[in-house]
Amino acid sequence: DTVLTQSPALAVSPGERVTISCRASESVSTLMHWYQQKPGQQPTLLIYLASNLESGVPARFSGSGSGTDFTLTIDPVEADDTATYYCQQSWNDPTFGAGTKLELK
Amino acid sequence: EVQLVESGGGLVQPGSPLKLSCAASGFTFSSNWLNWIRQAPGKGLEWVASINPDGSSTYYPDTVKGRFVVSKDNAKNTGYLQMNNLRSEDTAMYYCARGEPGGWFAYWGQGTLVTVSS
Repeated sequence: DTVLTQSPALAVSPGERVTISCRASESVSTLMHWYQQKPGQQPTLLIYLASNLESGVPARFSGSGSGTDFTLTIDPVEADDTATYYCQQSWNDPTFGAGTKLELK
Repeated sequence: EVQLVESGGGLVQPGSPLKLSCAASGFTFSSNWLNWIRQAPGKGLEWVASINPDGSSTYYPDTVKGRFVVSKDNAKNTGYLQMNNLRSEDTAMYYCARGEPGGWFAYWGQGTLVTVSS
């Protein structure tokens, strides 16, 4: 299985730029996707195929990377962005990162 | 509007079976992959099953292979997850999600909670 490693938590102030990283244990090309999950809700898709913004998602969100290293960027961060962010690869059987909890100061 | 609505969750004893349903609307169900993904309380996301559009091929991780069976009835726009020999570690919120050709999950249901406990 492809293991995805994410930093566990980040704390930023509104208006700042934040980058959330995801490292794959093997190359997944650009078959990496990002989700946002708020407490008590189902995950929602933010970015697919590493850098494509899902329809309806604010342009403050962007994704980059290929191979084993990927980044989700939120710029500027807003209070409503408090959530856990997951990466997911589809190079082989789907796996998710453990999630990065984003808190606002 | 794409909608996925799960049902069938509940409290069951270890070793019991349970069947979840996923009612789909707002898209051509027969043209899409259906996936089940679970989330244990306070934990991350784990993929547990996928089925291709016509239902002829299914896929599972080792953690559930041989115990879970995914199926879909394209005439009823409904997917299913038959879970057998349930264990305490299967306790989780179970989501169904529409799979896209590139392997991401664009639409998710609200989830149904399965609790396995004596």
